[in-house]
Amino acid sequence: NAGVTQTPKFRILKIGQSMTLQCAQDMNHNYMYWYRQDPGMGLKLIYYSVGAGITDKGEVPNGYNVSRSTTEDFPLRLELAAPSQTSVYFCASSRLAVSSYEQYFGPGTRLTVT
Amino acid sequence: QQPVQSPQAVILREGEDAVINCSSSKALYSVHWYRQKHGEAPVFLMILLKGGEQKGHEKISASFNEKKQQSSLYLTASQLSYSGTYFCGTPMNYGGSQGNLIFGKGTKLSVKP
Repeated sequence: NAGVTQTPKFRILKIGQSMTLQCAQDMNHNYMYWYRQDPGMGLKLIYYSVGAGITDKGEVPNGYNVSRSTTEDFPLRLELAAPSQTSVYFCASSRLAVSSYEQYFGPGTRLTVT
Repeated sequence: QQPVQSPQAVILREGEDAVINCSSSKALYSVHWYRQKHGEAPVFLMILLKGGEQKGHEKISASFNEKKQQSSLYLTASQLSYSGTYFCGTPMNYGGSQGNLIFGKGTKLSVKP
């Protein structure tokens, strides 16, 4: 099993550009999550999904969009990139609700917006 | 409602012990602990459910005091490999099966030879 994979590993965007961060898992997990991590601030939940076709906002959803058409994939879309979106983005998955189950994290995407 | 971790940072010599605390202002259903090494993804350590359970992972153990709304992570006879940032996470909704986690800001642990 590859676990949770993310692409790209690094990306530099200009202000106003858009991009999609890819995330895939091969563990047949129902729940998937997107977090951003800023230095010294811990992990903040952007969006999550409890299954294909079902997504919901987390703590910091503004400026992002998600979709979940399959169990395996959960892409994160950034529209009109802003410097405030410079961060490390982690995708994660869990078999069932994370309140009782461990999360598996992908390796992360380091994004810089200039 | 972000859980508060203390200390923010700690430096140890190999073989020394450390305690990392995580406290919440609201009732807790569970507490989760993750470790993140520099430049890597967070890795799950353990979940503690209400009931005051103590769990262990290698020489790392933890306790959960539901009454005090806090958890402590105990690192015994620390090794160089224990270096990293430790995060606790608590569910947003008490008892909720849909509760996502809110993470603390982390405790940076450095173990020196």
